Amino acid sequence: DGGITQSPKYLFRKEGQNVTLSCEQNLNHDAMYWYRQDPGQGLRLIYYSQIVNDFQKGDIAEGYSVSREKKESFPLTVTSAQKNPTAFYLCASSIRGVIPPGQPAYEQYFGPGTRLTVT
Amino acid sequence: AQSVTQLGSHVSVSEGALVLLRCNYSSSVPPYLFWYVQYPNQGLQLLLKYTSAATLVKGINGFEAEFKKSETSFHLTKPSAHMSDAAEYFCAVTVRVGGTYKYIFGTGTRLKVLA
Repeated sequence: DGGITQSPKYLFRKEGQNVTLSCEQNLNHDAMYWYRQDPGQGLRLIYYSQIVNDFQKGDIAEGYSVSREKKESFPLTVTSAQKNPTAFYLCASSIRGVIPPGQPAYEQYFGPGTRLTVT
Repeated sequence: AQSVTQLGSHVSVSEGALVLLRCNYSSSVPPYLFWYVQYPNQGLQLLLKYTSAATLVKGINGFEAEFKKSETSFHLTKPSAHMSDAAEYFCAVTVRVGGTYKYIFGTGTRLKVLA
């Protein structure tokens, strides 16, 4: 079965530690995304990658870093600089990252999420 | 700037009653619109999408949505609610950025189905 896997499901860290969240997809999708979800705030975009070896900051990138060395993998590191890291993190992918003008947007496929708690 | 507003953070309906979840968007160009559903502690699952073909879009699980340009709306409906429809629902609109699209999500509507 094709899909997106995120591990672990629950993650606990002490304040001041960096932590890396895993995201893997076997859908052969070009684009991948990281979102943060907080109660009552919907999803906010952290980083996105249109193709391998390339990524862009989203709306709330401060305190986070990513890499895209392989098409199927897009790990997110939450650094100690992130002031309020406790949240539910969602990874998503989409079949195309580079879309010519006039072509429609594609739907996103989401992983099951990682709930990070920092104390 | 593109944005999306979901009126009502919580909606309750009786089992068998009509479900209506509201979504209004603002966009300076024809938008692409999506509805997703999220069950507790899970990721989002696509219900349906509007990509400028038919204005009435049918999705999974009996849901449908109608794109109304004059009202800048894309409300989600289902004729008869089922207990299994209890979840959180998100509307999303796209915004063109460089050579791709970003997705702007609403703050979500939590649907409760009463027996």
